[in-house]
Amino acid sequence: GENVEQHPSTLSVQEGDSAVIKCTYSDSASNYFPWYKQELGKGPQLIIDIRSNVGEKKDQRIAVTLNKTAKHFSLHITETQPEDSAVYFCAARSNFGNEKLTFGTGTRLTIIP
Amino acid sequence: ETGVTQSPTHLIKTRGQQVTLRCSSQSGHNTVSWYQQALGQGPQFIFQYYREEENGRGNFPPRFSGLQFPNYSSELNVNALELDDSALYLCASSWGTDTQYFGPGTRLTVL
Repeated sequence: GENVEQHPSTLSVQEGDSAVIKCTYSDSASNYFPWYKQELGKGPQLIIDIRSNVGEKKDQRIAVTLNKTAKHFSLHITETQPEDSAVYFCAARSNFGNEKLTFGTGTRLTIIP
Repeated sequence: ETGVTQSPTHLIKTRGQQVTLRCSSQSGHNTVSWYQQALGQGPQFIFQYYREEENGRGNFPPRFSGLQFPNYSSELNVNALELDDSALYLCASSWGTDTQYFGPGTRLTVL
């Protein structure tokens, strides 16, 4: 089955700087890669996603890049703000079967004012 | 905020008891997926329901079961609770295989 690895597990960044979180996946059949932000006591919130026919996607301060050959994808947050502090999860979904999401182990991002 | 709601918000049970968790999907969605999130971990897939039928199952024992109703809301039932079942249970709704939107979760504590 699919296996998703996520790094780093914790990340501290000065406000205004950029943050990068990286994930690798094992199943070459995976074709959809969402990123979720989870704040304390809340469910995961989708912040951006990318499909395998696209190499990069951007939404304001957030961007995701995908390298299918290397089987890795990354989340980039620019001009970080205190409200960006949260746990971020990457996930991968295969094109076959029940379309389940396989999640990484999460990155706790702390923005230092 | 997504339109996915879950109840109850949290509950406490003892080992051996049974529990039912509920999820109302976002309007227009016909698929519900359930995930278990242990403390400090990513969500783990339990199972998915599409048009009232189970559409795939993760690595969870049969004492984890579910239902989906004609209005696409769903229940997760866990029998013979164990201490390791303590976790945040999340449901996510979607239109078929499209993007999954998560509810706030139910925090289950087993004593």
